[in-house]
Amino acid sequence: TQLLEQSPQFLSIQEGENLTVYCNSSSVFSSLQWYRQEPGEGPVLLVTVVTGGEVKKLKRLTFQFGDARKDSSLHITAAQPGDTGLYLCAGDPANDYKLSFGAGTTVTVRA
Amino acid sequence: DADVTQTPRNRITKTGKRIMLECSQTKGHDRMYWYRQDPGLGLRLIYYSFDVKDINKGEISDGYSVSRQAQAKFSLSLESAIPNQTALYFCATRAVGPGNEQFFGPGTRLTVL
Repeated sequence: TQLLEQSPQFLSIQEGENLTVYCNSSSVFSSLQWYRQEPGEGPVLLVTVVTGGEVKKLKRLTFQFGDARKDSSLHITAAQPGDTGLYLCAGDPANDYKLSFGAGTTVTVRA
Repeated sequence: DADVTQTPRNRITKTGKRIMLECSQTKGHDRMYWYRQDPGLGLRLIYYSFDVKDINKGEISDGYSVSRQAQAKFSLSLESAIPNQTALYFCATRAVGPGNEQFFGPGTRLTVL
């Protein structure tokens, strides 16, 4: 059983459509991170959310941290083929510098 | 030059062989990690080290060992490789402080036949 559950596992959409990826847990996190991984590369950090209810925007990407700090979402507006990749959420529930990762959501944006 | 490098990038080996995967970093971070990635399972922690004299097991350490030769170098060994160790392996580093970014290497694709 994963500490962080991501949904959906796969998402395929047309260019210009919107999408949302969810990351849920029964544990409370002091912060959650979102990474994106492209084929042949390691994950790269997109954002860290630290305050319950926080919303952060990165161009067309909007990240939200749940009020209870147990869940997070990633919303992409007007997706582009360059948004294609594996999106991973990660958190450190025990604050001991060990990240737990969700299984990831593979996003494919078709031109 | 990349901040975190891994060698080799690809390796095919046979069951029972000893394999070493190497990781070097120029970030100056004390914290280093080894993960494996399998489809549908995300990244799982194998071993981690918070300084040269500190080695800790992660959630899936059985069948693996590590060596922290210097602050910048952290190696992962498979003493006797088996097919279910076929996976993508990542090294990562992290600075001290809560919520800090982990920097990942490009990964090593290991296939055990």
